[in-house]
Amino acid sequence: EVQLVESGGGLIQPGGSLRLSCAASGFTVSSNYMSWVRQAPGKGLEWVSVIYSGGSTYYADSVKGRFTISRDNSKNTLYLQMNSLRAEDTAVYYCARGGVGQQWLDYWGQGTLVTVSS
Amino acid sequence: SYELTQPPSVSVSPGQTASITCSGDKLGDKYACWYQQKPGQSPVLVIYQDSKRPSGIPERFSGSNSGNTATLTISGTQAMDEADYYCQAWDSSSNYVFGTGTKVTVL
Repeated sequence: EVQLVESGGGLIQPGGSLRLSCAASGFTVSSNYMSWVRQAPGKGLEWVSVIYSGGSTYYADSVKGRFTISRDNSKNTLYLQMNSLRAEDTAVYYCARGGVGQQWLDYWGQGTLVTVSS
Repeated sequence: SYELTQPPSVSVSPGQTASITCSGDKLGDKYACWYQQKPGQSPVLVIYQDSKRPSGIPERFSGSNSGNTATLTISGTQAMDEADYYCQAWDSSSNYVFGTGTKVTVL
């Protein structure tokens, strides 16, 4: 059974850093495109970042230069390092797996809440 | 950057058909998919590759995509279908692009 479990969210001051983790089971993270998607309170879904199976990484313009996506194949875990956090980064962050063809997201985690506030 | 537009809300009576549109430039040239999100829950994929249903998704959910518009149709809508629905497409420069979201209310 495919499972994604996020952790690492919490309350952080503006300008601070946080690292999110997404532990995967039931499949191999390195064999799929893996994404982070966020949802601000009461708002829609926003794609944040993706790491391809080949290792290439891409980011939304809103986080480029501040966030870094990575994976640890030995731990079958996806990460999102978030630096220089802003109030507008406040959101629930989901990790999600690219489905066959990788152009859609077939499994999502339960999400972890990041609140950026002083 | 690529954009997808959805109506903010759609209302439907139980047992009737709900149609949710998703508009984007030459969207028919891309694959569209749809997610259902109920309050406090993670999104669930209900349609992928324009019209395919993942395992476990009821047959009342169907999809189409042509021209500039993709459509999610819920036939025989049930109270449990009340949720937010998001379309999504893949764009080579923007990766995963989500629509603005539609709240479906079953009256």
